[in-house]
Amino acid sequence: DAGVIQSPRHEVTEMGQEVTLRCKPISGHDYLFWYRQTMMRGLELLIYFNNNVPIDDSGMPEDRFSAKMPNASFSTLKIQPSEPRDSAVYFCASRRRQGNTEAFFGQGTRLTVV
Amino acid sequence: DQQVKQNSPSLSVQEGRISILNCDYTNSMFDYFLWYKKYPAEGPTFLISISSIKDKNEDGRFTVFLNKSAKHLSLHIVPSQPGDSAVYFCAASALGNQFYFGTGTSLTVIP
Repeated sequence: DAGVIQSPRHEVTEMGQEVTLRCKPISGHDYLFWYRQTMMRGLELLIYFNNNVPIDDSGMPEDRFSAKMPNASFSTLKIQPSEPRDSAVYFCASRRRQGNTEAFFGQGTRLTVV
Repeated sequence: DQQVKQNSPSLSVQEGRISILNCDYTNSMFDYFLWYKKYPAEGPTFLISISSIKDKNEDGRFTVFLNKSAKHLSLHIVPSQPGDSAVYFCAASALGNQFYFGTGTSLTVIP
């Protein structure tokens, strides 16, 4: 298996523009997580899905952030409009099932908003 | 509010010695704990885990200890190697739901 695939790896955009981050989870995994890595908060959970349904989006910082999972093999995280403080590394992770199993992470998208 | 805390942002250890990374948590409902390792420009990779029914789990050079009464978790690496230099994240979950991560500890193993 290719693992969790994220695109793009790097994104530089201007403040106010829309940004879309993409994730393909590992086939057969029921759970998908979006995390943001910052120095202050470490790996911060933004939202997670179970069987394509959003379960907890309480970590989404503002209404400017939205996430979708239209099918089991694809998810997007959208920021509209983007702001400089959104600059961070965004990770997607997937997990096979509930219970004592680990999550597998993608390589991340480094977002820079100028 | 951080439910999982790693109070040491960095740690330096001589090659061959023991590295001890610490983690504290506040939620008594957590029943599964993990350590992840992260190299620059890569995603975190799973290292080792422990269930709350155990107090120790060992995998080669890596051992995780759990002290439930103190709500404390530690990772021991013996012997430490230069390739172990990375950021280590502690994580916890309750009832098989989402993982809560700490802020990470950057380990440097000096040759």
